[in-house]
Amino acid sequence: NAGVTQTPKFQVLKTGQSMTLQCAQDMNHNSMYWYRQDPGMGLRLIYYSASEGTTDKGEVPNGYNVSRLNKREFSLRLESAAPSQTSVYFCASRKSAGGTDTQYFGPGTRLTVL
Amino acid sequence: GENVEQHPSTLSVQEGDSAVIKCTYSDSASNYFPWYKQELGKRPQLIIDIRSNVGEKKDQRIAVTLNKTAKHFSLHITETQPEDSAVYFCAATQGAQKLVFGQGTRLTINP
Repeated sequence: NAGVTQTPKFQVLKTGQSMTLQCAQDMNHNSMYWYRQDPGMGLRLIYYSASEGTTDKGEVPNGYNVSRLNKREFSLRLESAAPSQTSVYFCASRKSAGGTDTQYFGPGTRLTVL
Repeated sequence: GENVEQHPSTLSVQEGDSAVIKCTYSDSASNYFPWYKQELGKRPQLIIDIRSNVGEKKDQRIAVTLNKTAKHFSLHITETQPEDSAVYFCAATQGAQKLVFGQGTRLTINP
């Protein structure tokens, strides 16, 4: 049982390049989330998916798109990366639907945009 | 929407002493309040949580208290040890799906 996994672990992009961050969970959770973590600002929600087939904006969605590919996988895409998107990105999942409210986090992707 | 304020941003205590971190929230409908611990370079991990129908919860050296009237909750760590050094985040629910996090507290335990 791997829990929540993310790829890649590290990435360096040039301004304007695109990339997709991958997230998968094997806990049969319904809800999945993407956060970014910047120094002194805690974890800020980018997008979330309450269930397969649905996605919603969080606090800081500009410059990002997401895809809930199936119940296990939730990807985050940067179409044209900017230096302001340099951050650590965490994916999380939650059982919901009568289960616990606890969110479980992946190991993170450290992204640098030059 | 929900706003969560966390204090202090940094905290340094002597090994064996107690540490207290406080959070306030704005949405009276919030009903779940987790605390996460994040070691350097690692993912946030849940250490304790509390629901709005409970005033206090304890797990060994860690406890959380909730005051719904004042809309604040606190993390208490007793008999601190070097491995307690980390960044701690509080959070509160916003609606049925989301968590809003505080800004984090960097706790340092001095030997």
